[in-house]
Amino acid sequence: GAVVSQHPSWVICKSGTSVKIECRSLDFQATTMFWYRQFPKQSLMLMATSNEGSKATYEQGVEKDKFLINHASLTLSTLTVTSAHPEDSSFYICSAMSADYGEPGQFFGPGTRLTVL
Amino acid sequence: AQKITQTQPGMFVQEKEAVTLDCTYDTSDQSYGLFWYKQPSSGEMIFLIYQGSYDEQNATEGRYSLNFQKARKSANLVISASQLGDSAMYFCAMRPTDNYGQNFVFGPGTRLSVLP
Repeated sequence: GAVVSQHPSWVICKSGTSVKIECRSLDFQATTMFWYRQFPKQSLMLMATSNEGSKATYEQGVEKDKFLINHASLTLSTLTVTSAHPEDSSFYICSAMSADYGEPGQFFGPGTRLTVL
Repeated sequence: AQKITQTQPGMFVQEKEAVTLDCTYDTSDQSYGLFWYKQPSSGEMIFLIYQGSYDEQNATEGRYSLNFQKARKSANLVISASQLGDSAMYFCAMRPTDNYGQNFVFGPGTRLSVLP
């Protein structure tokens, strides 16, 4: 139980294009999902909290117009990087919250590695 | 605000020996959880062990144990009988336990290298 998937696992795109990353909870419903970003040799930093049926809450310094988050159902949240630039190249990881499986209470997807050329 | 400190950017350990990875934290929450994650080069976050702030006994999970000293605000991870497959980044994290809706706060991580 408590499996979270991400798609794609890696993506390469040209500068100026948009990229959509999907985060799915496969065997549970998640009203809350989180999006983290990780630069090489650094830690995970929270970008935004995604709540089903409502607007995402972004952390300070994260551009909401650049990183569009949509949590349209209880099992799917998407992160769209609009007009991507090389500095957006990073590892993006989502986690989904569930109180049904005990700790850790949030379960991570395998991550998506984005490279912008 | 919550903060996690891991003062060891990198650690080396000989295979089959034990190693301790340090973690100190700061929080104003009364009820919180402390977590350790392993991140191999593939990038996936692997949950290792959890310690609740009100747990009196140190958590253990196979070869992993958590040395929890609440007064000193430390939650060190001890890995016994290190294996080559233990080479990875290790992150200490915390989160309030009275609210699953809160995100994790991660430390900067420690890169562990196990030597044959």
